[in-house]
Order: sequence, then structure tokens, then C-alpha cells
Amino acid sequence: DQQVKQNSPSLSVQEGRISILNCDYTNSMFDYFLWYKKYPAEGPTFLISISSIKDKNEDGRFTVFLNKSAKHLSLHIVPSQPGDSAVYFCAAPYKVDQFYFGTGTSLTVIP
Amino acid sequence: EAQVTQNPRYLITVTGKKLTVTCSQNMNHEYMSWYRQDPGLGLRQIYYSMNVEVTDKGDVPEGYKVSRKEKRNFPLILESPSPNQTSLYFCASTRQGAMNYGYTFGSGTRLTVV
Repeated sequence: DQQVKQNSPSLSVQEGRISILNCDYTNSMFDYFLWYKKYPAEGPTFLISISSIKDKNEDGRFTVFLNKSAKHLSLHIVPSQPGDSAVYFCAAPYKVDQFYFGTGTSLTVIP
Repeated sequence: EAQVTQNPRYLITVTGKKLTVTCSQNMNHEYMSWYRQDPGLGLRQIYYSMNVEVTDKGDVPEGYKVSRKEKRNFPLILESPSPNQTSLYFCASTRQGAMNYGYTFGSGTRLTVV
């Protein structure tokens, strides 16, 4: 039973446009959420996080929105750049220092 | 440079032949973990360690062993590999209590068991 779900395996976006990656979760007790970015042949790298007491966190071109009533978070990338092409994972902690990861969304930004 | 180093990057082995994947971090992190990534399943935790000599099972520990004799090293041992352990493996570490800043992951080890 997946506690963190990314229902879109892939997404293609034109350069300069907005990319929106989605993640749904089932457990209301998660304290915070993270997004990771993964390039081929590399390990995932931490991108941005959001505490459950907030509904938005912004870092440059990346913004994460949290809708607790819908148990949904989204990552917005504006404007999208070809270098953003990667697989994006959302993650949520279920114990101290242990995470559920989503299955990932592969983003392709078309020049 | 702060990093998590895994070796080897690629490994092809035969069923039943014991192997070890090494993992080392230079950030003095207390917490280390092993994950495997499989298509459609995301990242699943195999084992984790909260400090030296403290290890525990993750979600998919069957067929794996770990040890944490030193803070910097966390090897993953497959005593008798089977084809269903063919996967992409990642080692990760973080400072304890800093999980909202995320893990630092290694570059991965692609293992094929034939």
C-alpha cells in the first residue's frame, strides 16, 4: 500500500513554461515533505522541502505547495529549463529518519 | 567535497556468489541507509543505521545484510544473490535530526544477478 503516490510517470513541458509535478499521500501525520531530483547515472539530490504547518515554500524557480485537506502536494518549476529534465521524487517521513518515496515523475523540458 | 561514495558503480554476478557493495561518507553523518530502486516501485529502504553498531531493517531487508563498525562506512552484503536482487542500489546519509534537509545520496550501484 503506497503511502506516497506520484500518478504521472512522465511529463513534457516547453522551455520557459511552468512544470507542475504532483504527489498524493495517505497519512495525515506526516510532519514534512521533500522533493528530490535525479539525473541519469547519479543519485537523487535534495531539492526542496515543506513543513506540514506551511502551505507554500519557495526557492528560486522552485515552489512547493501543500494542500493538507486534499493530502496533495505539488512542485512548480517556473520557468522550466532544459537542465530541469530529470526524474523527480516526492518523499515523506513515516518514522524518525525514515521515508516513503513516490515512484517518481520523469520531466522532459523541450528546448 | 562532501559526498557519499559507493563502489562498484556496475556489477554483474552469478546467482549465489557472495558480494559486498561498499559505501563511505565523509560528512560525519550519524544516519546511513541503503535503498533499491526498481521500475514502478520507486525507492525502497533495505536497511538503515542510526549510528555505529546500530542497524535495523527497512521495508525490503530479505537477502541482505549490513554492518556499521565505523561511522563513515556502511557496506551492503548479499550473501547469496538471486536474480530478483537485480536492481539499482543507493546508499544515503544525513545528520541525525536534519531529515528535513534531506539525504545525501551516492551515485548508485547497478547490480545484475544472472
